[in-house]
Amino acid sequence: AQSVTQPDIHITVSEGASLELRCNYSYGATPYLFWYVQSPGQGLQLLLKYFSGDTLVQGIKGFEAEFKRSQSSFNLRKPSVHWSDAAEYFCAVPSKGFKTIFGAGTRLFVKA
Amino acid sequence: KAGVTQTPRYLIKTRGQQVTLSCSPISGHRSVSWYQQTPGQGLQFLFEYFSETQRNKGNFPGRFSGRQFSNSRSEMNVSTLELGDSALYLCASSLVSWGQGHGYTFGSGTRLTVV
Repeated sequence: AQSVTQPDIHITVSEGASLELRCNYSYGATPYLFWYVQSPGQGLQLLLKYFSGDTLVQGIKGFEAEFKRSQSSFNLRKPSVHWSDAAEYFCAVPSKGFKTIFGAGTRLFVKA
Repeated sequence: KAGVTQTPRYLIKTRGQQVTLSCSPISGHRSVSWYQQTPGQGLQFLFEYFSETQRNKGNFPGRFSGRQFSNSRSEMNVSTLELGDSALYLCASSLVSWGQGHGYTFGSGTRLTVV
């Protein structure tokens, strides 16, 4: 069965520093993969998606993610974090039965 | 264009009551999915609808039900509310089946508190 693991429950990064959020997936074939962001009290917003082609995917708000099949990973990165990036981030993979499996989420704290 | 609209944003209900939540997807989106989000369980799949047909339901009791109308708007209903039903209920619409290749557009959610 498909699954998604986000090993880090929370991460604290200084403003202006680089960011990497980890995601590992379990999937039988080449997966579709997504990253979403959720600000407090809001719904989720799609940051980026991978379904084929280039393994480095560019998204909104300056985020990118790299698909590594050998490591079953799809890590999210940003070169320079802004205070407004503080939120919760979810990695996700579509699953059988017309649903999507979400990771547990990683909460990002940004310190001044 | 307008995003996914969920109403109401907040609800407080008493145990044993029932509640109906509404979701209007993005115009042209025919797939509507519902998720329950809680601190302990994260995002849990409730239902998916496509062209008025429920194609899948998650592992929730029969107290949870839903439907989709011909204009793609969807409602979900929870009867005999329990304290554990307190959660953020998120609606997501997709242009194609279950977001494959496109992903979801989410509404802001309905925060349900059962007291």
